[in-house]
Amino acid sequence: GAVVSQHPSWVICKSGTSVKIECRSLDFQATTMFWYRQFPKQSLMLMATSNEGSKATYEQGVEKDKFLINHASLTLSTLTVTSAHPEDSSFYICSAPGHYNTEAFFGQGTRLTVV
Amino acid sequence: AQRVTQPEKLLSVFKGAPVELKCNYSYSGSPELFWYVQYSRQRLQLLLRHISRESIKGFTADLNKGETSFHLKKPFAQEEDSAMYYCALRETGNQFYFGTGTSLTVIP
Repeated sequence: GAVVSQHPSWVICKSGTSVKIECRSLDFQATTMFWYRQFPKQSLMLMATSNEGSKATYEQGVEKDKFLINHASLTLSTLTVTSAHPEDSSFYICSAPGHYNTEAFFGQGTRLTVV
Repeated sequence: AQRVTQPEKLLSVFKGAPVELKCNYSYSGSPELFWYVQYSRQRLQLLLRHISRESIKGFTADLNKGETSFHLKKPFAQEEDSAMYYCALRETGNQFYFGTGTSLTVIP
């Protein structure tokens, strides 16, 4: 199946700094990618839809100025957590639909810890 | 609005026993439903989708539009089935909305 890769897998940052997470589709192109957040022992919560060449679409309650999304190419979307706070600590997962949009392929996730 | 509901957070069954993980959905259009599984320390992966009507690893799921359900079933649970299971609904924009997940533990 198609592969989606995230980088880094885990990151620790100081409160107030910004962190960028990359999501790449390795062997296919993705005009759309999705960013999710997962708290411990909880479900994935869709944060935003990343659209190549245009603005991201954010779910209700997600601060667009806090979570900046850029979909610079057909294989790369980035999520930047700006001015991170401890409550932003979470597991962030991206996904991309495969060919013919038959299913979603998920990255391995990025664990962000803000100290 | 909660699109997908999984009422059980935790489910334990003995090896060899039948297992059913419940999923109900709310969607006005024609739903596309999926089951995803997350084994320990691994990424989410597709288990099965309703349009394929397939059986994967002995699991099946039938879409019941009348009851708006898509329950996942397996007649004889195995230890390797222990994992987190997510029911998901895909909308027309390709966004996937996930249920809260059910943690299945198969007791040897």
